[in-house]
Amino acid sequence: EVLLLESGGGLVQPGGSLRLSCAASGFTFNTFAMSWVRQAPGKGLEWVSGISGSGGVTYYADSVKGRFTISRDNFKNILYLQMNSLRAEDTAVYYCAKDQAGYTYPCDYWGQGAQVTVSS
Amino acid sequence: SYVLTQPPSVSVAPGKTARITCRGDNVGSKSVHWYQQKPGQAPVLVIFYDGDRPSGIPERFSGSNSENTATLTISRVEAGDEADYYCQVWDTGSDHKVFGGGTKLTVL
Repeated sequence: EVLLLESGGGLVQPGGSLRLSCAASGFTFNTFAMSWVRQAPGKGLEWVSGISGSGGVTYYADSVKGRFTISRDNFKNILYLQMNSLRAEDTAVYYCAKDQAGYTYPCDYWGQGAQVTVSS
Repeated sequence: SYVLTQPPSVSVAPGKTARITCRGDNVGSKSVHWYQQKPGQAPVLVIFYDGDRPSGIPERFSGSNSENTATLTISRVEAGDEADYYCQVWDTGSDHKVFGGGTKLTVL
């Protein structure tokens, strides 16, 4: 069974930093691309970032480029999202998702999400 | 960047057919995926590559994609189908996953 468990969410002040983690199990982690997708309160889904299975290729939404960094540890089966220079508009539930194969593929499994609140 | 447009809401009576559209410039040349999200839950992939269903998704769910419109069709709608539905593509121009704005399906 594929399981994705996010952690690291919380309340942070504007300009602060936070690192999300996503522990993966139930599949061969290093052979699948992974994505982060967020959902602001009452809003739709917004893709944030993606990473190839090897970790060698990464992609970012324009809204987070230069502030967020996606990475993965293929030995520990963990996906990360380092978020710096956080803004109020980054407040959202952040979902970790497994891509069906490569990063151009759809997300076939999702975690339950981690709440990130940026507020003073 | 590439834009996908969905109607904010669709209403349908139980047992009838619901059709949710996803419009984009020449979206027929892309592969469209559809997700279902119920309140308080994570999204679930219900259709991938225009019309394929993951295991466990009922045959009542189907999809099509042509020219500028992709369509998710739900036949014999049940109360349990009430949810938000999102379309998604991979935009090769920007190397981004792009989601539509979502459609709230209400079962009357």
